Amino acid sequence: DAGVIQSPRHEVTEMGQEVTLRCKPISGHDYLFWYRQTMMRGLELLIYFNNNVPIDDSGMPEDRFSAKMPNASFSTLKIQPSEPRDSAVYFCASSFGLAGEVEQYFGPGTRLTVT
Amino acid sequence: GQSLEQPSEVTAVEGAIVQINCTYQTSGFYGLSWYQQHDGGAPTFLSYNALDGLEETGRFSSFLSRSDSYGYLLLQELQMKDSASYFCAVRHDYKLSFGAGTTVTVRA
Repeated sequence: DAGVIQSPRHEVTEMGQEVTLRCKPISGHDYLFWYRQTMMRGLELLIYFNNNVPIDDSGMPEDRFSAKMPNASFSTLKIQPSEPRDSAVYFCASSFGLAGEVEQYFGPGTRLTVT
Repeated sequence: GQSLEQPSEVTAVEGAIVQINCTYQTSGFYGLSWYQQHDGGAPTFLSYNALDGLEETGRFSSFLSRSDSYGYLLLQELQMKDSASYFCAVRHDYKLSFGAGTTVTVRA
């Protein structure tokens, strides 16, 4: 398997623009997680899905952030409007089975810069 | 909420042994995971402890004491490629919360 695929790998945008990050989990995995990593706040869980259903979105910072998983092989994280403080590396991770949150497979990440 | 504490940096020479401690406070604790992240890369899973005791996987071992809310990752026979950040993460409420990470630098 190719592993978790994320696109784009790098994104530079201006404040106020809409940003959409994409993720393709490993085939057969039923959990999908979105994380944000910054030097100040570390690795934070934003939201996770189980069988395409959002289970916990308590980490989503505010209404500007939204995530969807229309099918088992695709998820998006959208920021609208973007702000400079959203600059971070965004990781998508997937896993499977009972206790799926224990061993997660991370994608390469999307480095977002908002100017 | 959850809180995890681990040292920010550790430096050691090749062939040495390094222990990274992690203390945690959380409700609904199920276990402790460890992840490795090389600079510019993605986190990768190393180990998981749900029960007290030591788990060994090659040169790396992980320990958990639930009564002390404490765990550690032991890196043995250090190699240059082990230079990376190491994160402990508590499993709770069907998700992981990560510590701030420990940067391990291996010197020749």
